[in-house]
Amino acid sequence: GESVGLHLPTLSVQEGDNSIINCAYSNSASDYFIWYKQESGKGPQFIIDIRSNMDKRQGQRVTVLLNKTVKHLSLQIAATQPGDSAVYFCAENISGSGGSNYKLTFGKGTLLTVNP
Amino acid sequence: ETGVTQTPRHLVMGMTNKKSLKCEQHLGHNAMYWYKQSAKKPLELMFVYSLEERVENNSVPSRFSPECPNSSHLFLHLHTLQPEDSALYLCASSQHDRAYGYTFGSGTRLTVV
Repeated sequence: GESVGLHLPTLSVQEGDNSIINCAYSNSASDYFIWYKQESGKGPQFIIDIRSNMDKRQGQRVTVLLNKTVKHLSLQIAATQPGDSAVYFCAENISGSGGSNYKLTFGKGTLLTVNP
Repeated sequence: ETGVTQTPRHLVMGMTNKKSLKCEQHLGHNAMYWYKQSAKKPLELMFVYSLEERVENNSVPSRFSPECPNSSHLFLHLHTLQPEDSALYLCASSQHDRAYGYTFGSGTRLTVV
């Protein structure tokens, strides 16, 4: 289970640099993954998703990489901007789990700070 | 706006008050969720409604009472809360049979005094 009062991993980058945020997921049966961005005081915002039949997917300034062998997911943000400062977390889902297809399991999150 | 609208954005209530949180989704989804997010803790799933039926209640105290009158609206009725219930309450929606398009609202910041 999750521990109480845990400290988020942090990543501090300079404006303009590329950022890589990592996530280790727990269930080898998971076949759908989502990255969310959560700014202070706001709800999680969808960034990008990927299905397990892909190992890479690109969006606008973001790329998600999936390594099913080691159950690892990463989010790459190109040319990081101060507005990218937020908590980023991944979520995993088993799409074929019958009555529980809707269930997402969330990671703990990483705090990204972008220095101007 | 994300397509999931929550009101109010902020709420301060005393321990003897009764209040309700409202969530409305405009995405054509048929499953809706309540989550609690406390400081430095992962998201905690509270309730799940799928096709307007409650399908999950994760051992939430009875002082939290959900209501889903239709597939677009979800309420969380609050009464006799404790200070430790202060948190960000998030609503989300998706299709009932898949997590694709799982979308969160902006949340209600609740403070119990």
